[in-house]
Amino acid sequence: DTGVSQNPRHKITKRGQNVTFRCDPISEHNRLYWYRQTLGQGPEFLTYFQNEAQLEKSRLLSDRFSAERPKGSFSTLEIQRTEQGDSAMYLCASRIGTGESEQYFGPGTRLTVT
Amino acid sequence: QKEVEQNSGPLSVPEGAIASLNCTYSDRGSQSFFWYRQYSGKSPELIMFIYSNGDKEDGRFTAQLNKASQYVSLLIRDSQPSDSATYLCAVTGGTSYGKLTFGQGTILTVHP
Repeated sequence: DTGVSQNPRHKITKRGQNVTFRCDPISEHNRLYWYRQTLGQGPEFLTYFQNEAQLEKSRLLSDRFSAERPKGSFSTLEIQRTEQGDSAMYLCASRIGTGESEQYFGPGTRLTVT
Repeated sequence: QKEVEQNSGPLSVPEGAIASLNCTYSDRGSQSFFWYRQYSGKSPELIMFIYSNGDKEDGRFTAQLNKASQYVSLLIRDSQPSDSATYLCAVTGGTSYGKLTFGQGTILTVHP
C-alpha cells in the first residue's frame, strides 16, 4: 500500500492525558499537512511541513498542540493535556512539489476525549 | 461570510439522474479547486480538481469553474447509490496558499 498511513486509527483518552499521532506520507511527497474535522464540518487546516520545515501553523493550533517532521519523512502530532473539545478526526495529507497540486489524505485518527 | 460555502443539503436524487453540487468561494486569489468525496466515518477521497475556467470531465464526473463568478460545481451523471456520500469543495491559493480551505460539505443521497 503506497498511500498515506496514520496510526493509531482510533484513540480514546481521558481528559488531561497526552496523546501522539503518527502520519507516514506517500514516499515521494515533500509536503505534509495536518487537518482536524469535527462532525458535520469540513476539515480545518492545522499545520503543514515542507520536508522537515514547519511552514505554517493555524491559529487553531493552541500551545497544547505540537507537530514535528524530524527527517522530512513521517510526522507526529502531539496534544498535551487533552480537553473534551479536542475530540475530532485528525487527518494527515501529503502532496508533491510546489504550486497548488492535489493533496491525498490518510485514513485519519479518531480521537475521543472522555 | 465563510470562505468556501456549499449547500449542506441533503440533496436527494433518484438513481440514474444527474446530481449537481455547488460551491462558492470568497477569495478572488484562489487558484485551484478540488472536489473530495467522503463516506461516513472515512477520510476524504479526491475525485476531481480543476485549475482553469470551463469544464473538466472525468468519467461520470464533470467539474465546472467560473472564476469571474467565484463559483465551482460538480455534476455527477448517471448517479448510483454508491455515490451517496458527503461531497467537499476545497480551494487553495490566495489567502489559502499552500493549504486547503474546505466548505462544510453537501450530503448527497441517491435512492434506487
